Amino acid sequence: KQEVTQIPAALSVPEGENLVLNCSFTDSAIYNLQWFRQDPGKGLTSLLLIQSSQREQTSGRLNASLDKSSGRSTLYIAASQPGDSATYLCAVRGQGAQKLVFGQGTRLTINP
Amino acid sequence: DAGVIQSPRHEVTEMGQEVTLRCKPISGHDYLFWYRQTMMRGLELLIYFNNNVPIDDSGMPEDRFSAKMPNASFSTLKIQPSEPRDSAVYFCASREGRGTSGRANEQFFGPGTRLTVL
Repeated sequence: KQEVTQIPAALSVPEGENLVLNCSFTDSAIYNLQWFRQDPGKGLTSLLLIQSSQREQTSGRLNASLDKSSGRSTLYIAASQPGDSATYLCAVRGQGAQKLVFGQGTRLTINP
Repeated sequence: DAGVIQSPRHEVTEMGQEVTLRCKPISGHDYLFWYRQTMMRGLELLIYFNNNVPIDDSGMPEDRFSAKMPNASFSTLKIQPSEPRDSAVYFCASREGRGTSGRANEQFFGPGTRLTVL
């Protein structure tokens, strides 16, 4: 059974810093991995999706990497801004599966 | 496209009452997913449909929960009778599903329905 873990559960950093959020998964037979952002009381916004054959994806100040063999993904946020404050979730889709298995998320606070 | 649409956004009901949550997926998407989010258990998949057909309902907690998708643009999640432990945020998501491009595999979420059962 796939399990997804995100550490730390919460992170607080000053504005302008570069930071890394971590996601690990137990079964490396994945189809893809998706990073989401969730603002309080809102739905999930898709940030990046990495197919299993890819090593990384970039969108603006965000860069997600994938190391299937070690069961890890990282989300790198450059030059953080207060507007980046949110909960970040990673989700894994297994090979031959349709559903996503989510981590518990990292609650990020960027202090002005 | 307006994205995934859910209604109502908030629902407060009393234990024992029937609750119906509604979802309109993104036009052209073949897959529709219902999730539940709680502090204790995080995001859990309840059921998903492919081309309006329920494929996997193993996440539906009890017989009190049922879901339908009568056509490609509408789905409902019903709880009857509702209980306080059903209080959660219920999300609907959809995905294109055809092709191998990243976009075809991205799941897009609605804003959720916050359900409170008193």
